[in-house]
Amino acid sequence: QSALTQPPSASGSPGQSVTISCTGTSSDVGGYNYVSWYQQHPGKAPKLMIYGVNQRPSGVPDRFSGSKSGNTASLTVSGLQADDEADYYCSSYGGSNNVIFGGGTKLTVL
Amino acid sequence: EVQLLESGGGSVQPGGSLRLSCVASGFNFNNYGMTWVRQAPGKGLEWVSFIGGGGGTTFYADSVKGRFTVSRDNSKKTQYLQMNSLRVEDTAVYYCAKNSASGTKSFDYWGQGTLVTVSS
Repeated sequence: QSALTQPPSASGSPGQSVTISCTGTSSDVGGYNYVSWYQQHPGKAPKLMIYGVNQRPSGVPDRFSGSKSGNTASLTVSGLQADDEADYYCSSYGGSNNVIFGGGTKLTVL
Repeated sequence: EVQLLESGGGSVQPGGSLRLSCVASGFNFNNYGMTWVRQAPGKGLEWVSFIGGGGGTTFYADSVKGRFTVSRDNSKKTQYLQMNSLRVEDTAVYYCAKNSASGTKSFDYWGQGTLVTVSS
């Protein structure tokens, strides 16, 4: 199975909102409500931001939200802050006892 | 506080072997599946393996199937990744991750990673 498709980069100014897409197929993103999003700062381990398409773990600000339509999932970051600048990865259950990640999106806060 | 600490990384020649360890603390290790995820230098994340809480269920990415073996010792709160027949393309930071309780195929805690370099 191929990696999920994410835009390589996204950007926004402080206070603005930005949405990152994650496109798969009906065999992964579209077939299961098992989409997650991870934030990774340079040199650090990934951090879970969204699971189950739109659920936030305890401690993750409600500025982060997730959604899904068909084979495409989205992560929206509202009220952008400087610390939101990081790489973001989506993942989905792949249907064959595996998990597929997206290629990652570098979010720049202008 | 949940903590995951990986070790065992290093440099090895193609065809060689390494065993990674991940020691867990701060949660009931027996009750959770555990996962290995790797990240090649400058690249994205790649799921590698999963092991169930009891150790009897394991799954692997096609890229490592037949070469890597995941195991766990619940008495030591440790999961392992035995990597044989290593290839240059296995070079990566290997992260140990705890599977979420929600069963949503997500990973709620990660270690800091251990670097494996395969080079002649």
